Amino acid sequence: QQQVKQSPQSLIVQKGGISIINCAYENTAFDYFPWYQQFPGKGPALLIAIRPDVSEKKEGRFTISFNKSAKQFSLHIMDSQPGDSATYFCAASINSGNTPLVFGKGTRLSVIA
Amino acid sequence: DGGITQSPKYLFRKEGQNVTLSCEQNLNHDAMYWYRQDPGQGLRLIYYSQIVNDFQKGDIAEGYSVSREKKESFPLTVTSAQKNPTAFYLCASSKSGIEETQYFGPGTRLLVL
Repeated sequence: QQQVKQSPQSLIVQKGGISIINCAYENTAFDYFPWYQQFPGKGPALLIAIRPDVSEKKEGRFTISFNKSAKQFSLHIMDSQPGDSATYFCAASINSGNTPLVFGKGTRLSVIA
Repeated sequence: DGGITQSPKYLFRKEGQNVTLSCEQNLNHDAMYWYRQDPGQGLRLIYYSQIVNDFQKGDIAEGYSVSREKKESFPLTVTSAQKNPTAFYLCASSKSGIEETQYFGPGTRLLVL
């Protein structure tokens, strides 16, 4: 079964610090790697996504780093804020368009003041 | 206002009862998905549909059924065969072609009485 392994399961970060969440995959056919953010009682929302032709993508305080040879990708949240406290999911899919995403099990981030 | 709506927000099921969760989208998306979310388990795919009148089983389809008679609608029925239905159910949709982004609805929480 295709899997995406996500760590850590939970993370506590001081306000202003850097939050780092890691994901690893085995299927080299994956070609799309999004990160979703979910607040309690809400549906997940796309945060940022990357394709394997680039090693890094940055949007504001959020950065994805991608290591194709290691089959790993990570989310970095710079200057973490209490409003970033949420559950984050990494995911992967094969072939552009209309293919189900395979999700990691999620990381619950708490940013404390 | 474009988006995905799910109803009801909370649903209670009695033993032996079938219940149907509604999912409607006005984004003109071709593909629709149903996920089940349990604490610490991430999002697990139940069923997905890439086109009207066609759908495929996901990883945990047993005890569930779907229909896709209209592009905008993808209802999920939780049958009495699903012995552990208590969970948060999420519907998503995506546009066919290059854009893989899945947009999620607000979810339905199903509880067993």
